[in-house]
Amino acid sequence: DQQVKQNSPSLSVQEGRISILNCDYTNSMFDYFLWYKKYPAEGPTFLISISSIKDKNEDGRFTVFLNKSAKHLSLHIVPSQPGDSAVYFCAASTPQAGTALIFGKGTTLSVSS
Amino acid sequence: KAGVTQTPRYLIKTRGQQVTLSCSPISGHRSVSWYQQTPGQGLQFLFEYFSETQRNKGNFPGRFSGRQFSNSRSEMNVSTLELGDSALYLCASSGGQGLRAFFGQGTRLTVV
Repeated sequence: DQQVKQNSPSLSVQEGRISILNCDYTNSMFDYFLWYKKYPAEGPTFLISISSIKDKNEDGRFTVFLNKSAKHLSLHIVPSQPGDSAVYFCAASTPQAGTALIFGKGTTLSVSS
Repeated sequence: KAGVTQTPRYLIKTRGQQVTLSCSPISGHRSVSWYQQTPGQGLQFLFEYFSETQRNKGNFPGRFSGRQFSNSRSEMNVSTLELGDSALYLCASSGGQGLRAFFGQGTRLTVV
């Protein structure tokens, strides 16, 4: 059973607009969430994270929102740039699992100029 | 600081053989995790080592094993390779910045 789900395999956005990537989870024990970006033939690169005690975290163009009651988080990229085109993974962890991350299957973002 | 280094980058093995992959974490990081990435299953957690001890284990058969050395370098071994073991194997190290994991570029294993 998939505990972290990214239901949109792909997303296409125009340069300058907002990209919104969504992630749902089923395990209420998750207390830490991360977003990673991955280019082909490279390892994932950390983007931004959020603890379950918060509902929003910002870092430059990237903002992550967490809705614990809905077990949903989203990553907003504003403004989107062509270099943002990559696969985005949502990941989660429980206090017991520590650094063992459970990943979603990813969403491929394409930003066109 | 140098990043996470994985060797080799590419590997081709025959079914039934065994393989060992190596990972050097970021200096000072004591936690090393391994993940398998396949097109159908995405990124799946294999196991995590901290101070030479396996701290967590994913849902993989016993053919997958690992170890960590006193300098935090880690190896993972897959015995009796199957075609389905073909994947990108990623190593990640963590330390000092909460649960943020830093990934290497991965080892692409192809089993023929």
